[in-house]
Amino acid sequence: QKEVEQDPGPLSVPEGAIVSLNCTYSNSAFQYFMWYRQYSRKGPELLMYTYSSGNKEDGRFTAQVDKSSKYISLFIRDSQPSDSATYLCAMSVGAAGNKLTFGGGTRVLVKP
Amino acid sequence: SAVISQKPSRDICQRGTSLTIQCQVDSQVTMMFWYRQQPGQSLTLIATANQGSEATYESGFVIDKFPISRPNLTFSTLTVSNMSPEDSSIYLCSTGTGTSGRLGTQYFGPGTRLTVL
Repeated sequence: QKEVEQDPGPLSVPEGAIVSLNCTYSNSAFQYFMWYRQYSRKGPELLMYTYSSGNKEDGRFTAQVDKSSKYISLFIRDSQPSDSATYLCAMSVGAAGNKLTFGGGTRVLVKP
Repeated sequence: SAVISQKPSRDICQRGTSLTIQCQVDSQVTMMFWYRQQPGQSLTLIATANQGSEATYESGFVIDKFPISRPNLTFSTLTVSNMSPEDSSIYLCSTGTGTSGRLGTQYFGPGTRLTVL
């Protein structure tokens, strides 16, 4: 069993819809949770990071962490075709100086 | 955020040869990381490179195959040695911000796309 599980998709939604992404994990030591967006043939771009449980909002993006359930989510409101990409969750035990463990990524397609 | 560049952006190599990938950061950072992303897969950490010390390799990766240099706080190289077609992947470097590191802010370079024939 992988440490971090993520549905590979693809997830296809109409423009303007809410995109809902999630990851589950097994290592209770993870404390830092990140979401990256990766366009084809590009490096991952950091979208959100959260420490421990709770919610964090940044523009159209909301990240949620439920450590009791070992479950994290990313919501994208008012989705745009430019949001079409692969979204990767990542986690670490410590802060930026610690290795990241990635989920497999979910491919998202927002149709105009 | 840190700006990270990698060279080359892509290469096609013959089996048995070696390729050195360069990673340059626009600010001084304590730790740099090298990841591999195989086709259609997620990222897997190869090693962590601290300036002035030996790189720390993850399970399944060895120094003879992936030697790493970290000569200063803004630069690192990864060499893929004695390549085989199974080494065809995207290789990415990443780093946290600042010499003290900051929560969660690990940034990635654009990657080097390697094809081994």
